[in-house]
Amino acid sequence: RKEVEQDPGPFNVPEGATVAFNCTYSNSASQSFFWYRQDCRKEPKLLMSVYSSGNEDGRFTAQLNRASQYISLLIRDSKLSDSATYLCVVNILTGGGNKLTFGTGTQLKVEL
Amino acid sequence: DAGVTQSPTHLIKTRGQQVTLRCSPKSGHDTVSWYQQALGQGPQFIFQYYEEEERQRGNFPDRFSGHQFPNYSSELNVNALLLGDSALYLCASSSILAGAPTGELFFGEGSRLTVL
Repeated sequence: RKEVEQDPGPFNVPEGATVAFNCTYSNSASQSFFWYRQDCRKEPKLLMSVYSSGNEDGRFTAQLNRASQYISLLIRDSKLSDSATYLCVVNILTGGGNKLTFGTGTQLKVEL
Repeated sequence: DAGVTQSPTHLIKTRGQQVTLRCSPKSGHDTVSWYQQALGQGPQFIFQYYEEEERQRGNFPDRFSGHQFPNYSSELNVNALLLGDSALYLCASSSILAGAPTGELFFGEGSRLTVL
């Protein structure tokens, strides 16, 4: 079983739509959680951290359910510029330090 | 403020050859992690360097080795290249000195390796 699992998509949605991505992780020792965004042929960049209480940044809302080992990302009022791959990332603190494990990513295409 | 820089950006090698990729971390960062990203996949953790030592390692064979220099820059070496080593190799930097890691990694644009 993969440590971090995501639906690879692609999700094709019209501009203005609401879209939700889900992610599950297998290691219960995982300590912190993030969503990264990766544009085509570019490097990943941090989109937002994910907290148990849920957190919002403009049109983006992230949720964490530790009991179910489940993470979500909701994008409201999708824009063409939201088209990218969204990577679910889990941080596990080990004796050697922090190790970020990435999912395969979910591809989003926002269309006119 | 210079971000993470990697070189070369693109390179082509043949099976059995060796390759060295280089990375300079973001100013003020002391930790360098290397990732391999195959087409259509997420980045896979190779290893992490801090204080010139390999601190953690992912599930990669010994053909993958690295080094960190006193100025925090790093190299990734891959020996006996295989076709399956073709991928984007990403360097990411972070700072332990800044306190509890937030999980934010700053990535370079990557080195795209093609093995023929």
